[in-house]
Amino acid sequence: EVQLVESGGGLVQPGGSLRLSCAGSGFSFRNYDMDWVRQAPGKGLEWISYISGSGAIIHYADSVKGRFTISRDNAKNSLYLQMNSLRAEDTAVYFCVRDGGRGDKPPIDCWGQGTLVTVSS
Amino acid sequence: DIQMTQSPSTLSASVGDRITITCRASQSVSGWLAWYQQKPGKAPKLLIYKASSLDSGVPSRFSGSGSGTEFTLTISSLQPDDFATYHCHQYNTYSSFGQGTKVEIK
Repeated sequence: EVQLVESGGGLVQPGGSLRLSCAGSGFSFRNYDMDWVRQAPGKGLEWISYISGSGAIIHYADSVKGRFTISRDNAKNSLYLQMNSLRAEDTAVYFCVRDGGRGDKPPIDCWGQGTLVTVSS
Repeated sequence: DIQMTQSPSTLSASVGDRITITCRASQSVSGWLAWYQQKPGKAPKLLIYKASSLDSGVPSRFSGSGSGTEFTLTISSLQPDDFATYHCHQYNTYSSFGQGTKVEIK
């Protein structure tokens, strides 16, 4: 069974840092591009970052550029999101997703359960 | 960045109704548009991808259409399980989502 499990969320003060992890299983992790998508309480979904299977290509949304860093360790089947200089508006559930890309297939074919990040003093 | 705008934000309907949700892109996304259903506390579930392709196991009462900048999701006969929030998603240039449409019981 294809599965993504996030961890690392929690309460952090404004200006603080947090590192999210996502463990993939049931598929060849290195062969898939991955993304982070977040959802603020009561709000819509927001894509925030992409990383290719090899890790060579990375993109960020403007809202997190310069503060967040996406990375992966294919030997550990893991995806990461290092979040620095956190703001109240970063409060959200963060989802790790498997990216299917463009083609005759779903663009996102697996979602993690999400991990809640709360930025508050 | 490509902005996605859904309308309406909230839709009140009854079981058996035919409903349509619209998603407009700030620039062309060709046919790279997906629709998801989300229930409270859960991850989104894919309904439609490539504008009109139904994902495996999704009931045929769901359909999608459109290309370029305007897309629609239609539910032909609303069922009790369909009361949820629906999101559109463009994946032509990176990714971006609409703000969501909540379908509630009238």
